[in-house]
Amino acid sequence: DIQMTQSPSTLSASVGDRVTITCRASQSITNWLAWYQQKPGKVPKLLIYWTSTLGSGVPSRFSGSGSGTEFTLTISSLQPDDFATYYCQQYNLYPLTFGGGTKVEIK
Amino acid sequence: QVHLVESGGGVVQLGRSLRLSCAASGFSFNTYGMHWVRQAPGKGLEWVAVISYNGRNKYYADSVKGRFTISRDNSKKTLFLQMSSLRADDTAVYFCAKDLGADHYFDSWGQGTLVTVS
Repeated sequence: DIQMTQSPSTLSASVGDRVTITCRASQSITNWLAWYQQKPGKVPKLLIYWTSTLGSGVPSRFSGSGSGTEFTLTISSLQPDDFATYYCQQYNLYPLTFGGGTKVEIK
Repeated sequence: QVHLVESGGGVVQLGRSLRLSCAASGFSFNTYGMHWVRQAPGKGLEWVAVISYNGRNKYYADSVKGRFTISRDNSKKTLFLQMSSLRADDTAVYFCAKDLGADHYFDSWGQGTLVTVS
């Protein structure tokens, strides 16, 4: 199985900060990577697919990059609505696997 | 607009069975693969199972293989998850999710149904 490791697990930041979350795959997944945002008690929302393609309605302050085994999600200027938990997911091979999540907290 | 509504969750005893349903609307249900993803209380997301658009292909997480069965009824636009030999660590919110056909990420999710095994 492909293991997905996210770092950090928790991130404290302020509104306006640039935030970067890393996702590392245990083997190459080329560009078969998605990112989701989940707020407490809510359903996950697709942010990015194919490593860097924004989902429908996702603000342009979100961006994704990487390939192979190293990927990043960047929020260029953190907004109040962005405080949430973020998950990466590989869809290169079954079983599909998620990273453990990164909680973005208010500093 | 895609709409997915799960049902069937509840409290169940250790070792018993439960069947979840997910009613779909707003898209061509028989065109897309469908998944179950779960989230234990306070934990992260865990993919559980997938069924292809025509029901012929199914894959499972190792943690549920042999105990859970995914199925679908395209005529009723409904996805199912038959869960048996339930364990305490199966306690979670179970989401059904739609994929993109050829790409297995999730663009639409249901609200989830809570399964508590005690």
